[in-house]
Amino acid sequence: DAGITQSPRHKVTETGTPVTLRCHQTENHRYMYWYRQDPGHGLRLIHYSYGVKDTDKGEVSDGYSVSRSKTEDFLLTLESATSSQTSVYFCAISVRGPDQPQHFGDGTRLSIL
Amino acid sequence: EDKVVQSPLSLVVHEGDTVTLNCSYEVTNFRSLLWYKQEKKAPTFLFMLTSSGIEKKSGRLSSILDKKELFSILNITATQTGDSAVYLCAVDLGSGNTGKLIFGQGTTLQVKP
Repeated sequence: DAGITQSPRHKVTETGTPVTLRCHQTENHRYMYWYRQDPGHGLRLIHYSYGVKDTDKGEVSDGYSVSRSKTEDFLLTLESATSSQTSVYFCAISVRGPDQPQHFGDGTRLSIL
Repeated sequence: EDKVVQSPLSLVVHEGDTVTLNCSYEVTNFRSLLWYKQEKKAPTFLFMLTSSGIEKKSGRLSSILDKKELFSILNITATQTGDSAVYLCAVDLGSGNTGKLIFGQGTTLQVKP
């Protein structure tokens, strides 16, 4: 158990509303990642963080922003949700460094109507 | 464009069969290749491969990497119904200290009793 908690686990919202997903870890790991998983695409990296206030874009970052004001929390925000952002969102951490396997949370299922 | 392709996309076998899952990649920079198993929720780590020709083994699962031909295989012998899952292959692009992963689409394995 990598000590990752994602919240909420499920959310249904409407197009145009802001949405924030939270990833919380209990062990002060430096590297954290947000992915989305869609049928036919596997997992795709949205944003990642390599420390407090240090974040960068992944391959599908348009429409998403992130913040990391403390080590244990990595927030993913959809400023104005669109139906194309309906997906399952996974947070991951790298326990022993960026060149080591990532461990995943249980995911947030987000539906945007 | 960095790309990871898995085959087959889905597979149905009977208990006791042996299966081979394939993962090929074309990436600009390579640090390692990882295999994950995903049942209902979070992907769970299976193997990380960095060197060609060295087999990694865990019980009935084994994996090997060929860096010349740019592929990896995951073998499962004497399959059981508990092996039913989506198997994900990912390549670590080795981008500095970031741990960026590119995932394949996944192979869905169903093992029938």
